Amino acid sequence: EADIYQTPRYLVIGTGKKITLECSQTMGHDKMYWYQQDPGMELHLIHYSYGVNSTEKGDLSSESTVSRIRTEHFPLTLESARPSHTSQYLCASSEFRGTEAFFGQGTRLTVV
Amino acid sequence: KQEVTQIPAALSVPEGENLVLNCSFTDSAIYNLQWFRQDPGKGLTSLLLIQSSQREQTSGRLNASLDKSSGRSTLYIAASQPGDSATYLCAVWGISYQAGTALIFGKGTTLSVSS
Repeated sequence: EADIYQTPRYLVIGTGKKITLECSQTMGHDKMYWYQQDPGMELHLIHYSYGVNSTEKGDLSSESTVSRIRTEHFPLTLESARPSHTSQYLCASSEFRGTEAFFGQGTRLTVV
Repeated sequence: KQEVTQIPAALSVPEGENLVLNCSFTDSAIYNLQWFRQDPGKGLTSLLLIQSSQREQTSGRLNASLDKSSGRSTLYIAASQPGDSATYLCAVWGISYQAGTALIFGKGTTLSVSS
């Protein structure tokens, strides 16, 4: 079983609030990723990191930001949540680019 | 840019049937192909990883094949059980950054196995 954890699992929050979704892994992987998944749709990459202090935007435009201060931790932040941010957010990691990826259980975010 | 297509989008079978899920991708320059399972509202569980140099991988009742030249993979599930009911996702990792910077996913096949 993969050692990658996301908190919270579910979050309902009001418009305009600042939120941080947590993701941690204990595998020592340098590569970490955030994907967004709307119901019935494929996963889209929104952010990735190839190591500490390295972050890049993914293929899908997102208003969120990320940081990578420690290898094991890759939080995602929304400064001002909007209903359009309602979605499932999935965190993943891999040892190298192109090797097996492991996913967390996801955070289902609802902005009301 | 890499595109991944999964057919069928949904499949319903009685318990005990053998079944095949299909995945196709447009750019054959890939590191690997990975099959995942996703239960409703949950994260992804890795089922099988096939390296680009491999033709197939097996894990229990699951067998995945890869034909890189034709851009196709199949996931074979033997003797299906109600517990196999889930969405199955196929994802590829392109070698070229232009094809994508991480795993590119299909929309998945939602499988329902009735008892």
